[in-house]
Parts: sequence; C-alpha cells; structure tokens
Amino acid sequence: AQTVTQSQPEMSVQEAETVTLSCTYDTSESDYYLFWYKQPPSRQMILVIRQEAYKQQNATENRFSVNFQKAAKSFSLKISDSQLGDAAMYFCAYRGTPLRDDKIIFGKGTRLHILP
Amino acid sequence: EAGVVQSPRYKIIEKKQPVAFWCNPISGHNTLYWYRQNLGQGPELLIRYENEEAVDDSQLPKDRFSAERLKGVDSTLKIQPAELGDSAVYLCASSLGASGNTIYFGEGSWLTVV
Repeated sequence: AQTVTQSQPEMSVQEAETVTLSCTYDTSESDYYLFWYKQPPSRQMILVIRQEAYKQQNATENRFSVNFQKAAKSFSLKISDSQLGDAAMYFCAYRGTPLRDDKIIFGKGTRLHILP
Repeated sequence: EAGVVQSPRYKIIEKKQPVAFWCNPISGHNTLYWYRQNLGQGPELLIRYENEEAVDDSQLPKDRFSAERLKGVDSTLKIQPAELGDSAVYLCASSLGASGNTIYFGEGSWLTVV
C-alpha cells in the first residue's frame, strides 16, 4: 500500500525568507501524481501545486516550487519570500492512476508558522 | 463558478444521536469524495463515488455510517448513532474524472459529539 510521510510536524520561518517542507512517499507504481495542499485555519483545503510523475521538470507556481526526486521518492515544497498568509497546515498527497488505485492519500501534515 | 458546498459547517450533538451532512459538488464533477479529518491529522477517505456508484467504501464504518449520492450530484453522509470518537471534520471533495485531475474540497463540516 502507498504511504506518504511528512517528518516535520511544525516549522517556522521568518517573513520574506525561504522554507522547504519535506515529503517522502512509498509506491511500487511508476505513474502517479503528487500534490501539496494548504489548509488555513478556515479548514478549506486549497491546492498549492501538483506534479505528474512522468514529468522530470519540477513544477512551479509563483513563489511555490517543488523538488521532485523520483528515484528517492521525495517531493519537497519550497516557499520563497514567505508571507504571513502562508501560515497554514501543508499536506503532501499521492494519487495513483485509474488503472491501479487512484485513491488520494495524505500525509499527516506540517504546520508552518511565519514569524513577522 | 461555485466551489464545493457543504452544510452544516458546525454541528454539536449528544452521543447516540443521528447526524447528516450534505454536499453539493462543483458542477460537472462526476467524482465525489467524503473524507474524515481528525485534529492534527491528514484527511482519510471514507467513500468515493463515480456518478451514483460507490467505487471505494472500504474505509466507511458501515455499522453506523451510510452515504448516498442520488442522481449522481448531491451527496449525504449520515452517522447513526454517533459516538464520541466520531468528533472530526468531515470534508467533501469533487473532481472531474478519476484521473490525476485536481480534487477540490469544501470548507468541511465540523462535528462535535458530547
């Protein structure tokens, strides 16, 4: 069974600085999707960024980028120029393909604090 | 375009009482999910629908939980009777198809069982 591990329960970063959140996963599949979701105190999960496993190029969305290391099964999220609004829980998630098991599996999350 | 809509946002009930949550997915999204999120944890899938069909309900505690998605649009999740351990946030989500398409979440229904 697939698993997603986020080893950092909490992290803090100074406003305007850069922070990296770690995520590792375990799967025997070669084709899958990876996501980072943000959950602010309002609790609505918001997609931050997604990565298709067949793409070697790391996904980027404005200040958010990932470091996807397929062989190492690692999928870290880098937030540049951190802003107060980035404070939230961040969840790493894995999803297989329809031909296999495309249930989305979440890690336990990393709570990110932004220090003014 | 409206997002995933859930109600109620908050519900407090006594144990052994029933409770129901309602979800309206994004228009056109044929896949609908119910997740349960305990405090400090990631969401865990309870049930997934493809149109009207429940294609994955392996994590749904069927002795007390039930769900339906009539006409393949709105869905309800029911708990009867509720137990103290059912206190959690119940998240509804939807996506277009069951591929790697993005899953969009509602704001959740926060249940407290006392």
